[in-house]
Amino acid sequence: ETGVTQTPRHLVMGMTNKKSLKCEQHLGHNAMYWYKQSAKKPLELMFVYNFKEQTENNSVPSRFSPECPNSSHLFLHLHTLQPEDSALYLCASSQDSGRGYEKLFFGSGTQLSVL
Amino acid sequence: GQNIDQPTEMTATEGAIVQINCTYQTSGFNGLFWYQQHAGEAPTFLSYNVLDGLEEKGRFSSFLSRSKGYSYLLLKELQMKDSASYLCAQRDSNYQLIWGAGTKLIIKP
Repeated sequence: ETGVTQTPRHLVMGMTNKKSLKCEQHLGHNAMYWYKQSAKKPLELMFVYNFKEQTENNSVPSRFSPECPNSSHLFLHLHTLQPEDSALYLCASSQDSGRGYEKLFFGSGTQLSVL
Repeated sequence: GQNIDQPTEMTATEGAIVQINCTYQTSGFNGLFWYQQHAGEAPTFLSYNVLDGLEEKGRFSSFLSRSKGYSYLLLKELQMKDSASYLCAQRDSNYQLIWGAGTKLIIKP
């Protein structure tokens, strides 16, 4: 069983659809993250949750809505997306998003295409 | 804003050695990470440097020079499975990660 699991692996949606991405970590970590990865661009941090509390929101449009019901699960709710939102969405976890050396454990991502 | 620079793509031969460079802005430095990402897979941690010098882990080594704002990842005895993207990330004084766009490494037989 992998440490961080993301579903679905692939998603195609229209601009008027509503969908959700799911992430689950089995590592006992307290921090979870959503990243956006576009081709040939650096990873973009979207949201950070630490002990279920959102600690970071990097000016992400409101059409992306995160939810963290507990330390093991993270969701990204999507609605009225734009074609430029097509990308690989990566979930990650770490022991704690606070001070100190933090190694991230990533899921394999959801490849999202918005038509 | 701070930038991380690394080559977009490199090609090397199986069995050879390759060095992937990464430069960053020195202000607010608080550590340097390297991750490996195979196509369609999760990025996985390779190394972390916070002090100057070379850290060796088997076939992979990572070097850091804080005064020069420079790091490199050295891969020895290249294997076909080393074909992947290699991501450099700097942690700043606010413990935020600043990512490079990644270097795609192509290994040829």
